[in-house]
Amino acid sequence: KAGVTQTPRYLIKTRGQQVTLSCSPISGHRSVSWYQQTPGQGLQFLFEYFSETQRNKGNFPGRFSGRQFSNSRSEMNVSTLELGDSALYLCASSLNRETEAFFGQGTRLTVV
Amino acid sequence: AQSVTQLDSQVPVFEEAPVELRCNYSSSVSVYLFWYVQYPNQGLQLLLKYLSGSTLVESINGFEAEFNKSQTSFHLRKPSVHISDTAEYFCAVSAPTGGFKTIFGAGTRLFVKA
Repeated sequence: KAGVTQTPRYLIKTRGQQVTLSCSPISGHRSVSWYQQTPGQGLQFLFEYFSETQRNKGNFPGRFSGRQFSNSRSEMNVSTLELGDSALYLCASSLNRETEAFFGQGTRLTVV
Repeated sequence: AQSVTQLDSQVPVFEEAPVELRCNYSSSVSVYLFWYVQYPNQGLQLLLKYLSGSTLVESINGFEAEFNKSQTSFHLRKPSVHISDTAEYFCAVSAPTGGFKTIFGAGTRLFVKA
């Protein structure tokens, strides 16, 4: 059974640009969550999608957005990139809300 | 709202020594508790979880954690660590009142020395 797949693994962008990250959950998983991991702030919850609907949202500015498709694949978008957006972005999928999350290897975004 | 506190940011320990990584949570309702491990340049992997039932949960690689409701703790222990256990460990909590949003602690870096 394939795990959670995140693409791309590494990304370098310039300030002011926008970026889209992709996450393919484990087959059958309908819940997808996104996290930002930085050395200073640790793991911070961005948002969670279930059956194409955003169910939970963390405390991030509106520049951070996401969506989920009918096949449960999810994308997150960051517009007008800032240097502080440099981080490891992790996606996790789960069968439903009450079960454990399985994480992808992450996308390391560097903003220069 | 739930919160998680991992009391130690770094724990150095010698190989074959016992280790305890501390985790306290805050919640006014029943919670689910998890420990995840992250190796360098990797995502997080579930180590063990407490959903209900027995308060002592074990992983396949020798770690165990005990849910203590009165002390709101979920400390992770291993009686004898290996070099390969060097990693960052995250305690996490989720609860129905938070929409099962999983909240992570700041992490504890376990460094096993030869």
